[in-house]
Amino acid sequence: EAQVTQNPRYLITVTGKKLTVTCSQNMNHEYMSWYRQDPGLGLRQIYYSMNVEVTDKGDVPEGYKVSRKEKRNFPLILESPSPNQTSLYFCASSLSSGSLIRSYEQYFGPGTRLTVT
Amino acid sequence: GESVGLHLPTLSVQEGDNSIINCAYSNSASDYFIWYKQESGKGPQFIIDIRSNMDKRQGQRVTVLLNKTVKHLSLQIAATQPGDSAVYFCAETEQGAQKLVFGQGTRLTINP
Repeated sequence: EAQVTQNPRYLITVTGKKLTVTCSQNMNHEYMSWYRQDPGLGLRQIYYSMNVEVTDKGDVPEGYKVSRKEKRNFPLILESPSPNQTSLYFCASSLSSGSLIRSYEQYFGPGTRLTVT
Repeated sequence: GESVGLHLPTLSVQEGDNSIINCAYSNSASDYFIWYKQESGKGPQFIIDIRSNMDKRQGQRVTVLLNKTVKHLSLQIAATQPGDSAVYFCAETEQGAQKLVFGQGTRLTINP
């Protein structure tokens, strides 16, 4: 089954304790992206990756890191989480061709609800 | 700055009625628009898309209308069903851009 998976689905942590949210897709998609979703603010892009070893900042990258060592995986790293990073996080993937997203149909994972106390 | 927004945050309709969800955008360079549906506890799911060279596109029970003159698009759902209850997002992008810009979402509630 074609899908995007995220782990963990739920996480409660404390300020400053490094954490990683994993994202994996089995569709051989080149483009992957992380979003956070907050009430009243919709979906905001954190980071995206056009292909392996190619990543770039989205609209709200502060406090986050990503890596793209393999095509299928795109982990989101919070080196020192803070309470304002409490949010619902989504990973997404889609086909792309060079610098143009050939298919804008992004497939989303089920979400990770993160609480930082 | 450029943004995509929605006219109404909530919409309630009777089961079986048609529903219309609206979206305004401000980036005149946007040439591709998408509607997503997000059910409770799930990630957004692609519904339908439309390119700027079109003003209407139909899918199964859904129709998207694009009015470039007033920078407005809408999602029409025919004969709504309980399973249509969700938050609906519009998103836009332009050729060569590497990201989608999402609106805030409209919650659609279907009353029995």
